Amino acid sequence: SSELTQDPAVSVALGQTVRITCQGDSLRTFYASWYQQKAGQAPLLVIYGAKKRPSGIPARFSGSSSGNTASLTITGAQAEDEADYYCNSRDSGGHFFVFGSGTRVSVL
Amino acid sequence: QVQVEQSGAELKKPGASVRVSCKASGYSFSNYFMHWVRQAPGQGLEWIGIINTGSDYTGYAQKFQDRVIMSTDASTSTVYLQLRNLTSDDTAIYYCARDSRFCTGGVCYPYLDSWGQGTLVTVSS
Repeated sequence: SSELTQDPAVSVALGQTVRITCQGDSLRTFYASWYQQKAGQAPLLVIYGAKKRPSGIPARFSGSSSGNTASLTITGAQAEDEADYYCNSRDSGGHFFVFGSGTRVSVL
Repeated sequence: QVQVEQSGAELKKPGASVRVSCKASGYSFSNYFMHWVRQAPGQGLEWIGIINTGSDYTGYAQKFQDRVIMSTDASTSTVYLQLRNLTSDDTAIYYCARDSRFCTGGVCYPYLDSWGQGTLVTVSS
């Protein structure tokens, strides 16, 4: 079982806002990063350091963190945002890494 | 620009070993660690381990410690993943991904910023 817990699936209407959460004890100490994976493609970094956005990632993607929970918010979701989203951070021992179980985002 | 290029698909029999390569370009190879991650069909991402491309340091997830070896060839900017004693449960896409660090307040937080295209490893008799 993953040390980082995510909801399996969420849906959002086109143009609306959706928030994806990731819970785990290690998030009290270590920042999360977030990855978007579209069908048949390699994962793509969308947020690092809890809330930093890499160059080229649209501003509608934002991240935040509080206590044991990291969040990824898509403000004004677009059809192309339909994908699986994974959080990643250190494990509870702080030595290695772990991925969340993933959240499938459907844009209606 | 940063590029990470992986070797092609592999078909292996149970009990065999597989070696997947990951060639990096566009940056100083020895200054960045490299992760290996896998994804079984229809499943999520699973972290396998990490290698310091500038030294012999490796760190493996406990699940793989007994049968995984990661190595580097600095002369060709290539990292390798070898997995032994394969079973059907090892059928997956294997990714390498470059490790970067976000540092603030004297602490650095890692993330995976550039991913290879993935290598499908199929284990079947």
